[in-house]
Amino acid sequence: GDSVTQTEGLVTLTEGLPVMLNCTYQTIYSNPFLFWYVQHLNESPRLLLKSFTDNKRTEHQGFHATLHKSSSSFHLQKSSAQLSDSALYYCALRPQGGRALIFGTGTTVSVSP
Amino acid sequence: EAAVTQSPRNKVAVTGGKVTLSCNQTNNHNNMYWYRQDTGHGLRLIHYSYGAGSTEKGDIPDGYKASRPSQENFSLILELATPSQTSVYFCASGEASQNTLYFGAGTRLSVL
Repeated sequence: GDSVTQTEGLVTLTEGLPVMLNCTYQTIYSNPFLFWYVQHLNESPRLLLKSFTDNKRTEHQGFHATLHKSSSSFHLQKSSAQLSDSALYYCALRPQGGRALIFGTGTTVSVSP
Repeated sequence: EAAVTQSPRNKVAVTGGKVTLSCNQTNNHNNMYWYRQDTGHGLRLIHYSYGAGSTEKGDIPDGYKASRPSQENFSLILELATPSQTSVYFCASGEASQNTLYFGAGTRLSVL
């Protein structure tokens, strides 16, 4: 079936260093939508960015990701982490034709001074 | 900004008791969802709905029922609560054409 894999459960880094969170997915459909949601402590998840276009970089709030259908990946990156980036990050998949998002297990990012 | 309101925000229930979690949205979205959030499992889909009167099973529906009496309201019902259902529950609404989910603030449920 359809699934999303996030390999890192916890990422710890120092402010100013780059961030990369891995996301791979499985689906039988050829045109999936991929998403990154962010959840800060004691808040609800909210959309960070999304894409359905192959090999096109999408950016929002300093984060960027590129959907690569050849490798079924949608990794999230940021060039310089800030303390406020500490949060739980979810990668999610909407298979073509499906109506419910499938979420990965999430990656907690902890940024220290 | 989309508005999704969940009630109660916190609930303590006894094993075997009935629990109803309520969700109201003022966005006029057709689709509504119930997810539970657990460490190590992420967000898992319990039930969802395409509109008033419809409910569909998600990935983990066992032990849960759902009800969508109107466009605005979507309830999650635990007929016989068990300790394994202790979790944080999120309701969300969205339109397929927009591909964005709007989440409520969550309900923290403890079943003792």
